[in-house]
Formats: sequence, structure tokens, C-alpha cells
Amino acid sequence: DTGVSQNPRHKITKRGQNVTFRCDPISEHNRLYWYRQTLGQGPEFLTYFQNEAQLEKSRLLSDRFSAERPKGSFSTLEIQRTEQGDSAMYLCASSSSGDARKTQYFGPGTRLLVL
Amino acid sequence: AQTVTQSQPEMSVQEAETVTLSCTYDTSESDYYLFWYKQPPSRQMILVIRQEAYKQQNATENRFSVNFQKAAKSFSLKISDSQLGDAAMYFCAYSGGGADGLTFGKGTHLIIQP
Repeated sequence: DTGVSQNPRHKITKRGQNVTFRCDPISEHNRLYWYRQTLGQGPEFLTYFQNEAQLEKSRLLSDRFSAERPKGSFSTLEIQRTEQGDSAMYLCASSSSGDARKTQYFGPGTRLLVL
Repeated sequence: AQTVTQSQPEMSVQEAETVTLSCTYDTSESDYYLFWYKQPPSRQMILVIRQEAYKQQNATENRFSVNFQKAAKSFSLKISDSQLGDAAMYFCAYSGGGADGLTFGKGTHLIIQP
């Protein structure tokens, strides 16, 4: 069990550019979640997948945000036309639908800075 | 919508002492789960302890225990024999009966005084 991994760990970009982040969940987990965490706040839920199906996306912050999990394994989160307000930590978590206690395990996050 | 409130932005405790972090939540669901996560500086979120709402017995994990008061919608975390490595942000989180994401509080910054 190698845990949840995220790449890159840090990303600096200029306003207006597109960025993409990757998350690799714990291998046996079929659920994958994306969160955003701004300074001094708790994580804010964005979207989640069960296998390759995106079951909740209404919490994505705007239509500039999109996520995919094409083969039910890794996932990507893309932000188009980045704005300075998008600067935050983006966290990924995974869980198993077979876990009755619904525990989510988090990755180290990708810290985004938009200049 | 569910909300989670942590009313203590910062707490400080002497090493080896006991500290209690507060958390209240609001929900209309009867089936849910509660969690405490720890986030050390520049490190990833780690699960500390979890509680199923249908269980009356309070969860315990070594030096960490909770006081779950369902009627009062309160879920506090007690850390006994505090250690320097306990210094971190602590987040209380709620999960409903479905598979949606967690709802987090704003966190409590725990300082351990040597």
C-alpha cells in the first residue's frame, strides 16, 4: 500500500494559463475525491468518482474546473484560464465502497500559485 | 446542508497534559460518520479517529478518544499525554449516509508547549 499520490506537488502558473493535476489513489480503492483547501480553512469538497463515473460535480467551483477518471484508476483535475483566486492546495482522497466506515485517505496535495 | 463548526481557532497545552478540541455539527440525517483528521505543517492529512453515529460507545485510539453526544450534535476530541508530535491543525469532518465528500470544520491549531 503506497498511499495516495499527487503530482505535481507544487505548481506556479500565470493568470490565464491552464493547469492539470494528477491523483493516483490507493490501488484497491474505487472512490476518488477532489478537495480545495485555502489558507486557514478546512478542505472544501469539489467532486468525486466511483470507478470511472463522476457521481457529483455540482460542487465544482466554476465551469473552468473539470475532472476525469477515464479508466477508473488515476484522476486528473484541470483548471482552465486560471485566476489568482484559484491559488490554493488541491487535495485528492480515495476510499473503498466496501469500507462501511467510509474512511477517506488523503494525498499530500498540489499547491497552486497563480501569479 | 450539513455544517461543521470548530469554535477554537487555536489551543495550547503543556507536553504530557490533556487537551480537548471541540466540534459541533448540524444535520438532519440519522445515519452519518464523524472523523478527526490531523494535518501537520506542510504534511498530508492523516486520520486520527472516526465514529459511526449509530454506535453509542465513544471511539478510542490509543491516546485519542472522542466524546460523541448525538443529541447535542457534539463530537469533541480528547488527546491524553500530549506529545510534541501532536502539534498540528486538527479538522473535524462529517460524512452523510451517501458517498459524497466530507464536510470539514475550519480547524483548530494545536500548539504543544515543551
